[in-house]
Order: sequence, then structure tokens, then C-alpha cells
Amino acid sequence: LAKTTQPISMDSYEGQEVNITCSHNNIATNDYITWYQQFPSQGPRFIIQGYKTKVTNEVASLFIPADRKSSTLSLPRVSLSDTAVYYCLVGEANYGGSQGNLIFGKGTKLSVKP
Amino acid sequence: DAGITQSPRHKVTETGTPVTLRCHQTENHRYMYWYRQDPGHGLRLIHYSYGVKDTDKGEVSDGYSVSRSKTEDFLLTLESATSSQTSVYFCAISGTGPFYEQYFGPGTRLTVT
Repeated sequence: LAKTTQPISMDSYEGQEVNITCSHNNIATNDYITWYQQFPSQGPRFIIQGYKTKVTNEVASLFIPADRKSSTLSLPRVSLSDTAVYYCLVGEANYGGSQGNLIFGKGTKLSVKP
Repeated sequence: DAGITQSPRHKVTETGTPVTLRCHQTENHRYMYWYRQDPGHGLRLIHYSYGVKDTDKGEVSDGYSVSRSKTEDFLLTLESATSSQTSVYFCAISGTGPFYEQYFGPGTRLTVT
């Protein structure tokens, strides 16, 4: 199972673009890359998911290079409310049958300052 | 928000007592998960279920058992609670398909004294 490595923490200021990189050297062919956001005292919330190249939604963009050994979550123009822990998760799509172990890792604590 | 509830939301219990946490969903999703979250460890998977009566172990399953007799309910039992099981427990659900999107419940804060 592919393990992930992320920075423990990052600081930013309001209005800046924030890029959080996740390393997953042992990613398998069937693995997808998913990012979650977690605020204190709440459960994680899905942000974005991708398999290769670039994915964009109303909240963030996800950049995945051709070798898929890393991925970068990009948050445009962050605000104070983006202060949270961000988790990178790599795992096989659940086409049915058993899931196997799902490992979230320790996440990246993003602090946005005014 | 996905229809997931957890009960109780807070519980204090003594070492050696049995504890059952309940996760209830109204989404009819196939997959259900129990995680625990501790400072410095992030989220760790305890057990998961891929259907009624179909469950499997996760990363930190020792000391925990689960049951799923109905699609909507997934129970986590600590047969004999220990202080090391003091944690915040999250339930999550996901549907089938080529994506990994999970929806999390509000969490249960369990303290074992």
C-alpha cells in the first residue's frame, strides 16, 4: 500500500496561493489520489480527487505529474477560514469487494494569517 | 451534508467496562468505516465494512470489534476499554464506484479513566 509524506505544517497569509505537496513514491497503477480538509472538532471533508494530470473544482486544483509519485494541492487566494489540516490519501478505487487498509497519514497543518 | 450520525457524541467510561459506539447512515452507502484520531497520529482505520455482515480489519483493530446487521448501522465495540483507547472516533461512509470519496460523521469523544 502506498504511503504518503507531507509537510507537517505550513504558514500563509490571506490572499496568497498555497501549494501543499504530497509524496507517494510507491503509488500503484490502480491508486487514486484524494485530498481531505479537517477543521478542529469536525470530521474530514473531501476536497478533490484525481488520477493523473490536473483536476480543478470550485475549491482547489490538484496537479499530478506523469510519474504520479507526488501530487500538489493548490488553494487559490486562501482566507482565514482555510486554516485546517489537509490530508493526502492514496488508495485503490473501490470497485467492489474489500477495501484494504486506508491510511490517511498525519496531514499538513495550514495556518493562514491576516 | 451526508446523513451520518454518531452516538453518543461524548462518553466517559472506566477501564474494563464494555463500550459500544453507533454509526447510523441514511445514504444507503455500501461501505462504512471506523477511524480513531489521536494527537500526532492523524486518522487511523480501525475496521471497515463492505456490506451487511461483511467486515474486515484496518490498521489498528486490536481491542475492537464491529458488527453490521443492517446497511444503515455500523457498531464499534470495545469489549474491555483501556486508557489507550481514549480518543476521538469517526465513522465514515462511501458508495461504490471508481472514486474514494468518504463522508465523515461528527465524531465521538471517548474518555477511558
